[in-house]
Amino acid sequence: DQQVKQNSPSLSVQEGRISILNCDYTNSMFDYFLWYKKYPAEGPTFLISISSIKDKNEDGRFTVFLNKSAKHLSLHIVPSQPGDSAVYFCAASKNTGGFKTIFGAGTRLFVKA
Amino acid sequence: DAGITQSPRHKVTETGTPVTLRCHQTENHRYMYWYRQDPGHGLRLIHYSYGVKDTDKGEVSDGYSVSRSKTEDFLLTLESATSSQTSVYFCAISRGEAQYFGPGTRLTVL
Repeated sequence: DQQVKQNSPSLSVQEGRISILNCDYTNSMFDYFLWYKKYPAEGPTFLISISSIKDKNEDGRFTVFLNKSAKHLSLHIVPSQPGDSAVYFCAASKNTGGFKTIFGAGTRLFVKA
Repeated sequence: DAGITQSPRHKVTETGTPVTLRCHQTENHRYMYWYRQDPGHGLRLIHYSYGVKDTDKGEVSDGYSVSRSKTEDFLLTLESATSSQTSVYFCAISRGEAQYFGPGTRLTVL
């Protein structure tokens, strides 16, 4: 049973436009939701997080929105740049001492110049 | 950069052989994790550690064991490798709610 779902395997966007990546979750007990970015042959890198008590967090070109009633979060990238082309993983974590984290399957973003 | 290295970076082995992957961190983090990444599955937690000699299972722990005798090193062992364990393995540490990953080890079991 997938607790974190990214239903779009890929997304293609024109440079300068907005990229919107979506994620759904099933468990209301998560404390944080996170986005990670991954380039080929590298480890995932942490991008942005949001606490479960917030509905928006912004960091430069990246904004994460959390809709708890719909159990849905999204990552907005504005404006999109070719260097943003990567796989994006949505994740949800629960504080159990350390943080136990569940990852989605990932969405591959292509930003066309 | 969380000062995480993994070794080896690539390994090809045969079914039935034991394999040990090493994760080394330089920042004295308490929590360390091993994940595997497979197409269509994202990252799945194998085992994690919350201190020296303190470890626990993740969601895909069958066929894997871990050890942590020093804060800086977290070892993942495949006692008898199988083809289903062909994957990319990532080690991570926690810093707050976020995790920071090593560069990965690509393991192929023939």
